[in-house]
Amino acid sequence: EVQLVESGGGLVQPGRSLSLSCTASGFTFGDFAMSWVRQAPGKGLEWVAFIKSKAYGGTIEYAASVKGRFTISRDDSKSVAYLQMNSLKTEDTAVYFCTRAPTANGYTYPPIYFHSWGQGILVTVSS
Amino acid sequence: DIVMTQSPDSLAVSLGERATINCKSSQSVLYNSNNKNYLAWYQQKPGQPPKLLIDWASSRESGVPDRFSGSGSGTDFTLTISSLQAEDVAVYYCQQYYTTPLTFGGGTKVEIK
Repeated sequence: EVQLVESGGGLVQPGRSLSLSCTASGFTFGDFAMSWVRQAPGKGLEWVAFIKSKAYGGTIEYAASVKGRFTISRDDSKSVAYLQMNSLKTEDTAVYFCTRAPTANGYTYPPIYFHSWGQGILVTVSS
Repeated sequence: DIVMTQSPDSLAVSLGERATINCKSSQSVLYNSNNKNYLAWYQQKPGQPPKLLIDWASSRESGVPDRFSGSGSGTDFTLTISSLQAEDVAVYYCQQYYTTPLTFGGGTKVEIK
């Protein structure tokens, strides 16, 4: 069974940093792209960033709203994905979900959508 | 960016009746080389993370009841719940994965009438 468990959330002041972790189990972590998706309180879903598997070059992309402030990374030996969030703004307040992409097997350009989800973790940016 | 527009914002349907949710993309998400629509549907129940229901516009995920179906191509898509059950109360989102940034529709809240 695929399990994704986020950790590291909490309350942080504007301008400060916070790091999220996503610990995965139940699948071969290194074979899959991983993404972060967030949801502001009472709002819809917003993709934040993804990192492809090493087989696909470990390509990274970010939403414009976080580019230059957030950094996604992965440690395949530990089955963990990370999201380093710097220069946080009040509008970054949201539940952050760790997600796993579907299998990339057979695709030259693997699709990145959100096959499996963690329970999410709340990040509150407030003074 | 591809803008995903869902309609309606909310709908109330009687138990056993059909619910229809529309999703329109600002440009085609049909990839001509493989004739696949890069469109997914998710269900989010209160207090839970979203759950993938349908990918490739019409392919139901394993374990998803067959009362859920997806249709459409190019820019216009539909999620249909053929016979609404109480457990289907949720917010439903469409999402395109044709190109980055990956974008979601605003969501459609489904309630029981």
